[in-house]
Amino acid sequence: GAGVSQSPSNKVTEKGKDVELRCDPISGHTALYWYRQRLGQGLEFLIYFQGNSAPDKSGLPSDRFSAERTGESVSTLTIQRTQQEDSAVYLCASSPVAGAGELFFGEGSRLTVL
Amino acid sequence: AQSVAQPEDQVNVAEGNPLTVKCTYSVSGNPYLFWYVQYPNRGLQFLLKYITGDNLVKGSYGFEAEFNKSQTSFHLKKPSALVSDSALYFCAVRDGGGSYIPTFGRGTSLIVHP
Repeated sequence: GAGVSQSPSNKVTEKGKDVELRCDPISGHTALYWYRQRLGQGLEFLIYFQGNSAPDKSGLPSDRFSAERTGESVSTLTIQRTQQEDSAVYLCASSPVAGAGELFFGEGSRLTVL
Repeated sequence: AQSVAQPEDQVNVAEGNPLTVKCTYSVSGNPYLFWYVQYPNRGLQFLLKYITGDNLVKGSYGFEAEFNKSQTSFHLKKPSALVSDSALYFCAVRDGGGSYIPTFGRGTSLIVHP
């Protein structure tokens, strides 16, 4: 497709389980971002990838969170031992130029931890 | 450090009236400023941006924003509101001389009444 694709769109899991969220950016976009959006709150930065450079992980809230990206393609965000406070919409965005332009967002993955 | 404030959680306006959604920012260097709109259960869509040049920026769907350096503001405006403009609006800022990661405000819910 032409836009940023995220899967799954909805995920319900039990506390303590691991989850994996996937983001397929727009082809040719070198920059990729993950943000978290809790109900009624703004966007919270998680992690940033730029090409083959080391990612900026400064926004990851705990060591239960990790993300990978192979080259300039798909990225996966993994949350281990999920907690109820992890419930949120996880948004992925890509950009053709590092930081200079606007971000193109996917529709998000809604995670509910019971 | 960079930050952005959207002082209004909600803005109500009658259809046909002008609307303003407020945003103020703080950055160390030159600001790169963005507005995004989010419709229910959707990702964010880019509306407009200010990088340099004319202080009045025009964007999608008839929206515009005015960059005011002395007041560190970047308010979103539209001369005549439509019911279909009802959505969540996010202001974002990044330091043009620093991080490639934009910081988002908490969002403002715009409600346009028929």
